Amino acid sequence: DAKTTQPPSMDCAEGRAANLPCNHSTISGNEYVYWYRQIHSQGPQYIIHGLKNNETNEMASLIITEDRKSSTLILPHATLRDTAVYYCIVRAFYNQGGKLIFGQGTELSVKP
Amino acid sequence: DGGITQSPKYLFRKEGQNVTLSCEQNLNHDAMYWYRQDPGQGLRLIYYSQIVNDFQKGDIAEGYSVSREKKESFPLTVTSAQKNPTAFYLCASSTPERGTDTQYFGPGTRLTVL
Repeated sequence: DAKTTQPPSMDCAEGRAANLPCNHSTISGNEYVYWYRQIHSQGPQYIIHGLKNNETNEMASLIITEDRKSSTLILPHATLRDTAVYYCIVRAFYNQGGKLIFGQGTELSVKP
Repeated sequence: DGGITQSPKYLFRKEGQNVTLSCEQNLNHDAMYWYRQDPGQGLRLIYYSQIVNDFQKGDIAEGYSVSREKKESFPLTVTSAQKNPTAFYLCASSTPERGTDTQYFGPGTRLTVL
């Protein structure tokens, strides 16, 4: 699975959009981009994933560049409860046997 | 509500004792996983199971054992052979959808060896 690079920390004002970047320049054609977050002392929470098209769900939007070498997770209206470590993971489909490799992630602090 | 449950949330054990962590899912997922997380570290895969009565070792299986007798359940036993068992243990499950398999996690069990 391709490596990812994320900034170690970011701040965001409550109610504003949080834009979390991720670089994955060595991504291959069959690899998906996943985003998870982990609030302290809880299990990771799945947010969204995509292959090459932009995706949106009730939690967030995922914007993937045309060359697929980077992506941005957007939380449209951040709240204090969005404070967490956000992980960008690139992974191929291994027919259920593949592990998830969590890097260091981005620690997002949402401030009032 | 569909989801993954892990129990207990906190577990204490004495050195030399085996202990079993529970993981149950009602999502009808075929695959289940156990990960370990140490402070400030990423997740490491212990064991995974793609189907009932079958499981494979992950990256750090030594000192652990699992069983998969039912689709819903994937208990993990931390044996006395595990040299440093104090950690946060996470169970996950997945099923193929939209051409890939998204893993969903339980709330975790924090194990402390006294």
